[in-house]
Amino acid sequence: NAGVTQTPKFRILKIGQSMTLQCTQDMNHNYMYWYRQDPGMGLKLIYYSVGAGITDKGEVPNGYNVSRSTTEDFPLRLELAAPSQTSVYFCASSYPGLLYGYTFGSGTRLTVV
Amino acid sequence: AQKVTQAQTEISVVEKEDVTLDCVYETRDTTYYLFWYKQPPSGELVFLIRRNSFDEQNEISGRYSWNFQKSTSSFNFTITASQVVDSAVYFCALNPGGSRLTFGEGTQLTVNP
Repeated sequence: NAGVTQTPKFRILKIGQSMTLQCTQDMNHNYMYWYRQDPGMGLKLIYYSVGAGITDKGEVPNGYNVSRSTTEDFPLRLELAAPSQTSVYFCASSYPGLLYGYTFGSGTRLTVV
Repeated sequence: AQKVTQAQTEISVVEKEDVTLDCVYETRDTTYYLFWYKQPPSGELVFLIRRNSFDEQNEISGRYSWNFQKSTSSFNFTITASQVVDSAVYFCALNPGGSRLTFGEGTQLTVNP
């Protein structure tokens, strides 16, 4: 059972570069999410999606974009990376109603220098 | 607005001690769900429990127990006879309906041998 798979696990970007964080799930969950976790802090919602073709902003969407062309995949795009985007990024998925909460991926540790 | 407060940033105990992690939440919704997650040093997020606002019964699972008190908007988590493997960051989270979780800042628990 793969669950939620995130790639890459680690990445160093230079200021101004762009990249895509990949997230895929094999549980046929409709709902998917991207969170960021800054050092010593809780998780902040960046974007979420309730189904293919539907995305919406969370608390901290600036500097990011997402797309949801399939149920399985929910990539997060960083354009013009900034040091403030240094963080650990978690992708998650869930059933409607969150009966079992979220299933999280293992995270991507991103450093912008 | 939804808010989760975990006032204890760090707790340090000696193995076999009991420890309680506090969680206070704010929401105007009458129907909501509360969660606890564990984040061990390896970094993944592990679902521990989901509780709905209509069920104030305490729950026990092995050494873990949860005390939900609607009157004080609290959902506290107690670990009995703590072990070194319990060392982790613990997050409380609120779902006021829909699909999004609002997380607290987390409590770092260190259990010393």
